[in-house]
Amino acid sequence: EPEVTQTPSHQVTQMGQEVILRCVPISNHLYFYWYRQILGQKVEFLVSFYNNEISEKSEIFDDQFSVERPDGSNFTLKIRSTKLEDSAMYFCASYRGDTEAFFGQGTRLTVV
Amino acid sequence: ELKVEQNPLFLSMQEGKNYTIYCNYSTTSDRLYWYRQDPGKSLESLFVLLSNGAVKQEGRLMASLDTKARLSTLHITAAVHDLSATYFCAVDIYTGNQFYFGTGTSLTVIP
Repeated sequence: EPEVTQTPSHQVTQMGQEVILRCVPISNHLYFYWYRQILGQKVEFLVSFYNNEISEKSEIFDDQFSVERPDGSNFTLKIRSTKLEDSAMYFCASYRGDTEAFFGQGTRLTVV
Repeated sequence: ELKVEQNPLFLSMQEGKNYTIYCNYSTTSDRLYWYRQDPGKSLESLFVLLSNGAVKQEGRLMASLDTKARLSTLHITAAVHDLSATYFCAVDIYTGNQFYFGTGTSLTVIP
């Protein structure tokens, strides 16, 4: 069964450093998303991406964040200068457009 | 902004009992999704409800959608310990926009 793959599973970084979280969405899906979840809390929308551009973004997704689909298969989330409050589980999701969104296993980001 | 509320937020129930989780949303939509999340894990799709009156069942779980009332329910029948998890409902308004997630219901089934 096709699945969304995320790497790394866990990333520890120092405050102020840049991190790139990687995702390989399901191949015939058209819409891609990043969500985050602080431990035990709600699932927060960051950004959606369609047709090689951002279609929607939340207030969380400020200038420190960017997304890219560099090669037609990978979908990346970059955080330029991490803050302590960026520590969370980051989920990538992909969506074909007619059923449900499928989520990857997540990257646990710890900023120290 | 669309708001999605679930209740209860926490639910502790005995094995063998029945219970219902409610999901209310604030804007017209006929697309609602239920997900399950185990601690430290991803979101696993349970049900996709795409029309008013839709009802889906899988094992001890049954989900329904009333778009006029902007309400979905997730009914648990004869709960077993394996159902312990957090359950989220999610709504989207049109294809490709964000999925708005509810607050989640943390379910603990006690032997």
